[in-house]
Amino acid sequence: EIVLTQSPGTLSLSPGERATLSCWASQTVGSSYLAWYQQKPGQAPRLLIYGASTRATGIPDRFSGSGSGTGFTLTISRLEPEDFAVYYCQQYGRSPLTFGGGTKVEIK
Amino acid sequence: QVQLVESGGGVVQPGGSLTLSCTASGFTFSDYAMHWVRQAPGTGLEWVALIRYNGNDKYYADSVKGRFTISRDNSKYTLYLQMNSLTTEDTAVYYCAKTSILGWFIDFWGQGTLVTVSS
Repeated sequence: EIVLTQSPGTLSLSPGERATLSCWASQTVGSSYLAWYQQKPGQAPRLLIYGASTRATGIPDRFSGSGSGTGFTLTISRLEPEDFAVYYCQQYGRSPLTFGGGTKVEIK
Repeated sequence: QVQLVESGGGVVQPGGSLTLSCTASGFTFSDYAMHWVRQAPGTGLEWVALIRYNGNDKYYADSVKGRFTISRDNSKYTLYLQMNSLTTEDTAVYYCAKTSILGWFIDFWGQGTLVTVSS
């Protein structure tokens, strides 16, 4: 099983600041089969990024993904008020599919 | 527009069984693999199971293997999760989720149904 470790657990930032979230895999994630999701309280998650770096339909370009192998990053270039949420990475290249534990981006 | 509506959640005693359903609309159900993902209260997401578009291949998390069964009826646009031998650790919101045609990532989620295992 590929274990995904997200850091930091919580990120305290102000609107307008840059957010950098990390996701580390215990084994190589083949073909960059890595996705990022955003979840707000009381809501289902929403797809942001797939293939490590491809934005999903309708996702603003302030969200970007990068990385390969065992290290991946989600960057939010300038935080908007609606971006404060929990973010999860997921590898979908090999069963069992796995999620990271999440990073909460909170308002400082 | 894509819709996924879960049903069948509720309160069940430890050791009991429950079957969840997910009714899909707004897309050709038989073209897509489907997931179940769960989220225990106050915790993160846990992948549960995946079934291929035609139902021929199924994959499970170790935590549910041998107890849960994923299935689908493409003629009814419905996904199922049969859950047996439930324990308190199975208490969670269960999400039905649609894969993309580009891979097994999730491009659409239902709103979830709550399963509570308690005596």
